[in-house]
Amino acid sequence: AQTVTQSQPEMSVQEAETVTLSCTYDTSESDYYLFWYKQPPSRQMILVIRQEAYKQQNATENRFSVNFQKAAKSFSLKISDSQLGDAAMYFCAYRSTISSGSARQLTFGSGTQLTVLP
Amino acid sequence: DGGITQSPKYLFRKEGQNVTLSCEQNLNHDAMYWYRQDPGQGLRLIYYSQIVNDFQKGDIAEGYSVSREKKESFPLTVTSAQKNPTAFYLCASSTTRGIVAQHFGDGTRLSIL
Repeated sequence: AQTVTQSQPEMSVQEAETVTLSCTYDTSESDYYLFWYKQPPSRQMILVIRQEAYKQQNATENRFSVNFQKAAKSFSLKISDSQLGDAAMYFCAYRSTISSGSARQLTFGSGTQLTVLP
Repeated sequence: DGGITQSPKYLFRKEGQNVTLSCEQNLNHDAMYWYRQDPGQGLRLIYYSQIVNDFQKGDIAEGYSVSREKKESFPLTVTSAQKNPTAFYLCASSTTRGIVAQHFGDGTRLSIL
């Protein structure tokens, strides 16, 4: 079974600065998907960015980018020019590419609470 | 606008009572999921369904039941057998092809009276 580990329960960053959130995972599969979700105080889960493991190029979405290191099984999220609205709980998630059974589920890490300081 | 609607936003359960959480989506997604979130923790899968009239247990299905009679709807019943139901419940849906990112509803907070 796959596991996802977020070793930083809490992080803080000054407004306009850059912060990196860590995520590692354990899998025996060679192809899979990785995601970062944001959960603000409203509790809605919002997809931030996604990465397909077979793609070597790191995904970017505006101020959000990832550092995907497949050999190290690491998938960190970098937030540039941090804004007050970025304050939220951030979850890393893994999904298999196998199309049958429970492999379709997302496996989530325990989350990192990000505080943005004005 | 397309999306996922969960209701109610807050729900209270008495001892021995079954309660049903509603989840409706108009995204034309085949797959739907129910997750439970406890304070300070990630999401854990309760049940999922990849097609109408079919569903599978997730990691923590005991004390819960679901149905999938329509593509758009995936209600979750929290039964009296679930001894610790207080949590935040999230419903999600996705396509079944490609990268299959899941889209989430706004959640239901269930508490014990």
